[in-house]
Formats: sequence, structure tokens, C-alpha cells
Amino acid sequence: RKEVEQDPGPFNVPEGATVAFNCTYSNSASQSFFWYRQDCRKEPKLLMSVYSSGNEDGRFTAQLNRASQYISLLIRDSKLSDSATYLCVVNPAVSGYALNFGKGTSLLVTP
Amino acid sequence: DAGVTQSPTHLIKTRGQQVTLRCSPKSGHDTVSWYQQALGQGPQFIFQYYEEEERQRGNFPDRFSGHQFPNYSSELNVNALLLGDSALYLCASSFVGSRFNEQFFGPGTRLTVL
Repeated sequence: RKEVEQDPGPFNVPEGATVAFNCTYSNSASQSFFWYRQDCRKEPKLLMSVYSSGNEDGRFTAQLNRASQYISLLIRDSKLSDSATYLCVVNPAVSGYALNFGKGTSLLVTP
Repeated sequence: DAGVTQSPTHLIKTRGQQVTLRCSPKSGHDTVSWYQQALGQGPQFIFQYYEEEERQRGNFPDRFSGHQFPNYSSELNVNALLLGDSALYLCASSFVGSRFNEQFFGPGTRLTVL
């Protein structure tokens, strides 16, 4: 079983739609969780850290369910500029410092 | 505030050659991690350097080695290049005191091995 699993998509949604991405992780001792965004042929950029109580940043909401080892990202009122690959990232406590990345979920927002 | 910088941006090498990639961390950061990203995959952790020592290593052969300098900048060296080493090499910097270990990436070096 892969350490971090995501639905690869692609998700094609119209502007203004709400879209949700899900991710599961295998190491129950994992400590830190993130969503990164990666545009084509560019570096990953930190979108949000995911806190135990869940957190919101504008149109973006991240949730963590430790019991189910599940992380989600909700994007409301999608913009064309949201088109990118969204990477679910986990920092396993056992490993300490490495970030474990999912393969990413591709989002295309259309006019 | 300068972000993470990497050089060169692109590199073409042939099998068997050696390559050195460079990274300067974000201002205020003291830790550098290196990742390899193959096409269509998420980044894979190579190793992390802190206080000029390799602190943790991923599942990569000894052909991959690194160094960190007193100014926190870092190099990644790959010997005896294979075709499979073609990838985007990403450097990420962080601060050891960061509660959640947030890492910030540079633009990467795209390595092509022919």
C-alpha cells in the first residue's frame, strides 16, 4: 500500500463550481499534513498546512480525520487560475523529516 | 525576501557522467532537503541536510550524495548517471524550529540523461 494515496483525476469543473479532493495515508503516527499546488513544469507551492481542527483560507478548506487517516481539500467558487495539480503531503513522525507526497490530483477549471 | 534558488535550471548529460546541482535556501532557513520528481509522479525524498550533516536519507543509491555549506546552501551530486535519473530535482528549505516542518521549494533543475 502506498504511503499517501490520491485520486489522480483529472477533475474537470466549470468556473464557480465547488470541488473536493481526498487523500488517505497509511502511517497512523503521521504528525504533519499539507496540501501543495503544482503548476505544469513548476515547483510545488505550499497551499495549506492541515491542522487537527480543520482550517480555512479564503475559498480553500482543509480537513483532517486522524481516525480514518483521511485528509480533504475543498475549493469553493473555482477560478480558472485554480487549474493545477494538487499534492497531498504527509510528514510521518517515524521518518521525521521527509515529506511523503501523493501522486497528485489534476484539476482543470473551464470557462 | 529571496526565496529558494537553484542552479542550473536545465542540464543535459550522457550516461555515466557526473552532475552537481546547487541550492540556496530561503532567508532564515537552515535546513535543505532534496527531492526527485519523475514525470507524472509526486516528489520522492532523497536526503536532508542540517548543520552540514546528512540528517536523513531516502531510498536512493550511494550514487546520490550531497553537501551543505556553512552558509546553509547545498549541493546534490549524482555519479554514474543512468537514463532513469532524468527528472526534475527539487530543493526545499525549512527552519529547524518550525512546528510543522513546512518546506518551501525552489524552481528545480530539470536533468535529462541521454
